[in-house]
Amino acid sequence: SQQGEEDPQALSIQEGENATMNCSYKTSINNLQWYRQNSGRGLVHLILIRSNEREKHSGRLRVTLDTSKKSSSLLITASRAADTASYFCATVRPSGSRLTFGEGTQLTVNP
Amino acid sequence: DVKVTQSSRYLVKRTGEKVFLECVQDMDHENMFWYRQDPGLGLRLIYFSYDVKMKEKGDIPEGYSVSREKKERFSLILESASTNQTSMYLCASSNTAGAGRSNEKLFFGSGTQLSVL
Repeated sequence: SQQGEEDPQALSIQEGENATMNCSYKTSINNLQWYRQNSGRGLVHLILIRSNEREKHSGRLRVTLDTSKKSSSLLITASRAADTASYFCATVRPSGSRLTFGEGTQLTVNP
Repeated sequence: DVKVTQSSRYLVKRTGEKVFLECVQDMDHENMFWYRQDPGLGLRLIYFSYDVKMKEKGDIPEGYSVSREKKERFSLILESASTNQTSMYLCASSNTAGAGRSNEKLFFGSGTQLSVL
């Protein structure tokens, strides 16, 4: 089964609003990563948060990690139509090299 | 700029054909990966490689094989293509960090949409 599961599956908001996506996982991790995918294209790395970190920022992105609840959230502030994409979380276990992806959240930002 | 290049953007093949998907990275990365992406199933790992001539099975290796003769190139081979292998195939590469070889971020190619008729 998938290590990471995103919630919600789909999210539709207006430009300027904030978008929050959640990710839950099942086992201990070394780090958790968020990726973005525009329709029909490859994934682009957004941000990596390590298991000993609780919060990380990058521009309009804010990621939190709660290892006790095995969950992470991605917040996009002041969204733009260009933020429309699918967003995936991926986890890396302490002993492993492989990333395990969730099924993604489809974000639509309406102008 | 870092780059992962997949040889074909779209590919149409017939059932039973042998199919080669090529991937090249120019970042001297140790690790390379092949994923397939299907609606409702997310990304699933097919095979990966830590080093030249080294390969490991991912979660869904059946019906696939791989080749890594050079560090920069990782090929995915469908020995006898079947209709259930119609999918988007994504190649990625990365470096590892630390004694535990934990993975750092992946760089993805643009994907190959394969249709098997």
